[in-house]
Amino acid sequence: AQSVSQHNHHVILSEAASLELGCNYSYGGTVNLFWYVQYPGQHLQLLLKYFSGDPLVKGIKGFEAEFIKSKFSFNLRKPSVQWSDTAEYFCAMRFGGYNKLIFGAGTRLAVHP
Amino acid sequence: GAVVSQHPSWVICKSGTSVKIECRSLDFQATTMFWYRQFPKQSLMLMATSNEGSKATYEQGVEKDKFLINHASLTLSTLTVTSAHPEDSSFYICSARVAAGGQETQYFGPGTRLLVL
Repeated sequence: AQSVSQHNHHVILSEAASLELGCNYSYGGTVNLFWYVQYPGQHLQLLLKYFSGDPLVKGIKGFEAEFIKSKFSFNLRKPSVQWSDTAEYFCAMRFGGYNKLIFGAGTRLAVHP
Repeated sequence: GAVVSQHPSWVICKSGTSVKIECRSLDFQATTMFWYRQFPKQSLMLMATSNEGSKATYEQGVEKDKFLINHASLTLSTLTVTSAHPEDSSFYICSARVAAGGQETQYFGPGTRLLVL
């Protein structure tokens, strides 16, 4: 069955550290991939998305993600995190001709000042 | 980005009563909206896909008679939890589908926290 895996459930970093959150998906065909962020007490916001073209996607707030088809991965990166990046991050996949999104379990990021 | 609102933001009800949650797309029309449920410290689980003017499509294991969905207009979808029980307590989130330039994206509402006593 189609699924999305986020292997890091909790990540703790100090400010200015670099971030990489893993996301792997299982589907052999065309996929659209998304990263959403949920700040404490707020709703999900779209960070970035990949549909086609350049596999390195830049999003808001300095985030980027790289689609590596051979590895079925779409890892999220940020070179230098800030305390305000403390949030939960969700990777999601849309596959085939379906409208619906399949979400990963989420990664809770805590950034200490 | 597109703005999606939900009302109410939280609700407490007695067991056996019904609760209606509204989801509105504020600055765009949405032919398709989605309803999710999020348990504490867990991911979002899709409950159903709501299509304007037609019946909703429910995911496997979701009781359509318990979670009634109505998408009567291009800007409003409602989820009614009928005869709510404590196990229905959860965080319900809607999203609306936007397709622009061939890229289909979902924008999410702020969620409704339901507590059934």
